[in-house]
Amino acid sequence: QKEVEQNSGPLSVPEGAIASLNCTYSDRGSQSFFWYRQYSGKSPELIMSIYSNGDKEDGRFTAQLNKASQYVSLLIRDSQPSDSATYLCAVNAGGTSYGKLTFGQGTILTVHP
Amino acid sequence: DTAVSQTPKYLVTQMGNDKSIKCEQNLGHDTMYWYKQDSKKFLKIMFSYNNKELIINETVPNRFSPKSPDKAHLNLHINSLELGDSAVYFCASSFGTGGQPQHFGDGTRLSIL
Repeated sequence: QKEVEQNSGPLSVPEGAIASLNCTYSDRGSQSFFWYRQYSGKSPELIMSIYSNGDKEDGRFTAQLNKASQYVSLLIRDSQPSDSATYLCAVNAGGTSYGKLTFGQGTILTVHP
Repeated sequence: DTAVSQTPKYLVTQMGNDKSIKCEQNLGHDTMYWYKQDSKKFLKIMFSYNNKELIINETVPNRFSPKSPDKAHLNLHINSLELGDSAVYFCASSFGTGGQPQHFGDGTRLSIL
C-alpha cells in the first residue's frame, strides 16, 4: 500500500465547474497535510495547509480533512484554465519524522474552456 | 526578493563526473531539505538539515553528500554520476521540524549523458 495515494487522473473539468481532488494516507498518526500545485517544468507551490479535521477555505480553494477516514481533499470552485496543473498531496507524520513530507503521485487537472 | 534559490538551474554532464548543486534561502527558515523528482514526477525526500544538523537521511546512495555551512545554505554534492541520477532536484525550506509548510526552490534539472 502506498503511503500517500491520490485519485488517478487525469481529471478534466469544464471552466467554471468544481474540481475535486482526493488523497488518502496510511499513517494514522499524521499531523500536517498540504496541497501543492505544480505547473509543468516549475516547482511545487504551496496552495493549502490543513492540520485539524474539517474544512479550510482560502478563496476558491477548500481543503477538507477527515483523520478518522485518513482522507484529505481539495475542492477548486469556479475552475479556471489557469488551474490546469498537477496537484500534489503531501503528508507529514509528525513526531520523529522531523518535517519529512511524503508526497502522493499527483493528479493532473485540466480545465477546458 | 525573498525566496529559495538554487544554482545551477540546468546541469548536463557525463557519467562518472562529480557535480554540486547549491541552495540558499532568505526566508529566515532554520530547516532545509533536498528532494528528488523522477521522470514520473514522483517527489521523494533525500535529506534534511535543521540548524546545520542532519536530521533526515533517507536511503540514498552514499555518492550523494549534503552539506549545510549555515542554516541559510544547503548544498548537494554528487560523486560518480550515473544515468539513474537524471532527475530534477528541489531544495526546500521551512520553520522548524514540526511539519510546517515547506517552500520550494525552482529546481535543478540534472541530465546525465
